[in-house]
Amino acid sequence: RKEVEQDPGPFNVPEGATVAFNCTYSNSASQSFFWYRQDCRKEPKLLMSVYSSGNEDGRFTAQLNRASQYISLLIRDSKLSDSATYLCVVFSGGYNKLIFGAGTRLAVHP
Amino acid sequence: NAGVTQTPKFRILKIGQSMTLQCTQDMNHNYMYWYRQDPGMGLKLIYYSVGAGITDKGEVPNGYNVSRSTTEDFPLRLELAAPSQTSVYFCASSRTSGSYNEQFFGPGTRLTVL
Repeated sequence: RKEVEQDPGPFNVPEGATVAFNCTYSNSASQSFFWYRQDCRKEPKLLMSVYSSGNEDGRFTAQLNRASQYISLLIRDSKLSDSATYLCVVFSGGYNKLIFGAGTRLAVHP
Repeated sequence: NAGVTQTPKFRILKIGQSMTLQCTQDMNHNYMYWYRQDPGMGLKLIYYSVGAGITDKGEVPNGYNVSRSTTEDFPLRLELAAPSQTSVYFCASSRTSGSYNEQFFGPGTRLTVL
């Protein structure tokens, strides 16, 4: 079983739609969680951290469910510029050793 | 403030050739990392460094070597290139190793071994 699993997609949605991605992780001792965004042929960039209480940043909401070992990302009012691959990332201790999921691809169309 | 820079952007190698991928950061970060990203796969950690003179293996170190003589530079060396090393290589850095610490990535090097 992969340490971090994501549905690869693609999720094809129209502008203005709400879309949600889930990610599951296998290590119950994982300490912190992130969503990174990666545009086509570019480097990953931090989108947001995921806190235990859930957190929101504009149109983006991240949730953590430790009991079921999954995190989610909700994007409201999708924009064309949201088209990218979203990487679920888990920190399980050590020297900032991040475990990356393979990513979920989102394509927003007019 | 350029962040993390990598050279070259693209490279084609023949089997058995050697090369060094360069990585430099100007954020005075202690922690630096090398990852590879294969199609449909998550980033895999090759090597990391917690400061000048200190390096350690990550998940997939075979076929690679690193050095860290300065805070700014963290080159990755491929000694005998193999087709399995065809990948996109990302260098990253972070200020600390705290659990909420963001990693900053360079633009990547696309390597093809034929």
